[in-house]
Formats: sequence, structure tokens, C-alpha cells
Amino acid sequence: DQQVKQNSPSLSVQEGRISILNCDYTNSMFDYFLWYKKYPAEGPTFLISISSIKDKNEDGRFTVFLNKSAKHLSLHIVPSQPGDSAVYFCAAKQYAGNMLTFGGGTRLMVKP
Amino acid sequence: ETGVTQSPTHLIKTRGQQVTLRCSSQSGHNTVSWYQQALGQGPQFIFQYYREEENGRGNFPPRFSGLQFPNYSSELNVNALELDDSALYLCASSSGGGSSYNEQFFGPGTRLTVL
Repeated sequence: DQQVKQNSPSLSVQEGRISILNCDYTNSMFDYFLWYKKYPAEGPTFLISISSIKDKNEDGRFTVFLNKSAKHLSLHIVPSQPGDSAVYFCAAKQYAGNMLTFGGGTRLMVKP
Repeated sequence: ETGVTQSPTHLIKTRGQQVTLRCSSQSGHNTVSWYQQALGQGPQFIFQYYREEENGRGNFPPRFSGLQFPNYSSELNVNALELDDSALYLCASSSGGGSSYNEQFFGPGTRLTVL
């Protein structure tokens, strides 16, 4: 039973346009959500996070939106750059503990 | 500041064998988490160690075991290897260990292939 799902395995976007990556979750006990970026042969690196008490968090070109009623979050990248091409993972944490539950990832390709 | 390092980078084993993977945590971090990432999937939590004690475990059988040492480095041991154990094994270190989230910093992983 996948508690965190990323339904789009891949996304292709033109440089300068907006990239929108989506994530759905089923567990109401999640209180913190994160996005990680992963390049080949490297470990995931933290990108941006959002607490369940907020609905938006922004950091430069990256914005994460949380819709608790729909159990949905999204990552917006504006403007997209070729260096953003990577696999993006959505992850969630429950109220107790530090364990992360990851989605399956979305491969983003930003074309010059 | 040294980041999270893992060894070896790649490993090939045969079914039934045992394997030990190693992780050195980032300076100042006392918590280590291990994840298994199968091909085409997201990382799955195996277990976490905080100050040398297991501090949470995912849905993995007992043949997956671990250790954390006084310098906070860690080992992941897998006994009786199965073909499905072929995956990228990621180690992540963080500070704290309580209920609030402390950012996890990931190593590059060890690619294990079981033949």
C-alpha cells in the first residue's frame, strides 16, 4: 500500500517555462512534507519542505503547495532551467519519529 | 565539513551470502537512517539508529540488521541475500533523533547486485 504516490513517472518542459510536479498521499498522520532532487550516482538532496499547518512555502524559484483536504502537494519550479533536470522525490514524515516515506519519483527533463 | 560517505560504491554477491555496507555520518550528526531504493522506485525506510540504539524500523525482515558505533558511523548487514535485495542502499545522517524533523543528508549510496 503506497502511502505517497507520484503518478507521473516523467515530465518534459521547455527551458524558462514552469514545471509542476505532483504528489498525493493517503496517511493523515503525515505532518511534514519534503521534496528531494536526485542526480545519477548521487544521493537525494533536500530541496524544499512544508509543514502541515501551512499551505505554501517558497524558496527562490521553488514553491511547494499543500492541499490537506485533497491530500495533495505540488512543487512548482519557475523558471525551469536545464540544470533542474533530475529525478524529484516527494517525501512525508509522521508526527512521531524521523522516518521518511517516499514517492516513486518523477523524472524532470528541461529542454534548452 | 565532510558529508555522508558510503562504502563500497558497488558490490556483487550471490544468493544466500551475507553483506555489510558502511556509512560515515556527517560531522556533528548522531542519527543514521538506512533506505533501500529498488530500480524505478523511491527509497524505502529500513531502520534508524540514534546514539547507538535502533530508533525505528520499516517493513523489513530481521535478516536486515544494523549497528551504530560510538563515532556515529553505521553498518547495514543483510543475511541470506535474495535476488530482490538488489538495490541502491542509501544512508542518511541527521542531528537530534526526537519527534521533530531534522534534515537528513544522504550519501551517494551503495549499489548491491545479487546474482
